[in-house]
Amino acid sequence: GNSVTQMEGPVTLSEEAFLTINCTYTATGYPSLFWYVQYPGEGLQLLLKATKADDKGSNKGFEATYRKETTSFHLEKGSVQVSDSAVYFCALISNDYKLSFGAGTTVTVRA
Amino acid sequence: DAGVTQSPTHLIKTRGQQVTLRCSPKSGHDTVSWYQQALGQGPQFIFQYYEEEERQRGNFPDRFSGHQFPNYSSELNVNALLLGDSALYLCASSPGQGFRGYTFGSGTRLTVV
Repeated sequence: GNSVTQMEGPVTLSEEAFLTINCTYTATGYPSLFWYVQYPGEGLQLLLKATKADDKGSNKGFEATYRKETTSFHLEKGSVQVSDSAVYFCALISNDYKLSFGAGTTVTVRA
Repeated sequence: DAGVTQSPTHLIKTRGQQVTLRCSPKSGHDTVSWYQQALGQGPQFIFQYYEEEERQRGNFPDRFSGHQFPNYSSELNVNALLLGDSALYLCASSPGQGFRGYTFGSGTRLTVV
């Protein structure tokens, strides 16, 4: 079956630091890959996506590149802000139409 | 344009009772999926509805059932509630098969006591 493995947290950073959250996947077919963000007490928001190999998704300064050869979709941001504190989920959807999530990585950014 | 709307936002039920959660998908979306998110964990897929039929089901017991109406809204029913059913229940909608991503509601926080 499909599965997503992402870097365990929690991750604590200072403002303006570089953030990387690793994500690797196992899937049948040609999955679409996503990063979702969940702020405290809220539902999930789609942060960025990539639907085919070598695509780069980007939004709000975050980027992730769909790497088929390494089955990875690592999330990066060059300079984090306190407002980026949240839980980040890597996810994929493949030919079973189910969105499969990783366990989530809690990121805390300190001023 | 309203996104995905879920009701109620919070709910407290007693063990053994039954509960119904409701979801209105984003305008233009015809596929609705339900997820259970336990505290500190990632969302787990319960089932998906398309054209008023259950298209896919996750690893959840038959106590969990659902329905999709002609206007694409959906209900999640849980019978014989257990303490372990306490979680955030998320509804997500998409156009078609969801390869461009799902839009999530804010969820219903269910507490079973």
